[in-house]
Amino acid sequence: AQTVTQSQPEMSVQEAETVTLSCTYDTSESDYYLFWYKQPPSRQMILVIRQEAYKQQNATENRFSVNFQKAAKSFSLKISDSQLGDAAMYFCAYRTPLPMDSNYQLIWGAGTKLIIKP
Amino acid sequence: DGGITQSPKYLFRKEGQNVTLSCEQNLNHDAMYWYRQDPGQGLRLIYYSQIVNDFQKGDIAEGYSVSREKKESFPLTVTSAQKNPTAFYLCASSIRGQGGTGELFFGEGSRLTVL
Repeated sequence: AQTVTQSQPEMSVQEAETVTLSCTYDTSESDYYLFWYKQPPSRQMILVIRQEAYKQQNATENRFSVNFQKAAKSFSLKISDSQLGDAAMYFCAYRTPLPMDSNYQLIWGAGTKLIIKP
Repeated sequence: DGGITQSPKYLFRKEGQNVTLSCEQNLNHDAMYWYRQDPGQGLRLIYYSQIVNDFQKGDIAEGYSVSREKKESFPLTVTSAQKNPTAFYLCASSIRGQGGTGELFFGEGSRLTVL
């Protein structure tokens, strides 16, 4: 069965510095999607970044980038120039692509709480 | 604006009462989901629906029920059979199948507290 592990329950970083959140997963599939979601204190989950396993290039979205190591089954999130608004829970999630008629669901990690120090 | 609306935001229930949480989306998504979130844990899937009039149990369906009579709506009922219903509930939707990457769009959640 697929699993997703976030080994850091909490991380803190000084404002304007860079922080990396780790995520590892276990799967026997070769094609899949990986996601990082952010949940701020308002509690609404927001997609931060998405990576397709067949793409070798690491995904980037402004200050957010990933380090995708397929062989190691690692998918870390790097946040550059941390801002106070980045404070949130961050969840890593995994999904396999399935045919149109099949169901699918995300497998979630337990989350990492990111604290930004002013 | 397109999105997902959950109501109520906060709900208090006495033990033994059923409560229904509303979830409405105007994104024209086929698939809808209900998740439960407890402190220090990831999201756990309660029920999901890929199409109108069809839904499947997730990992923790006991004590919950759903309906999907309209594409836009996927209400969740927390029944008195749910032993520990106090939690934060998140509704989500997505494009079904190969037409999308499976990205979930979430509502703002409903906090249920049993007194």
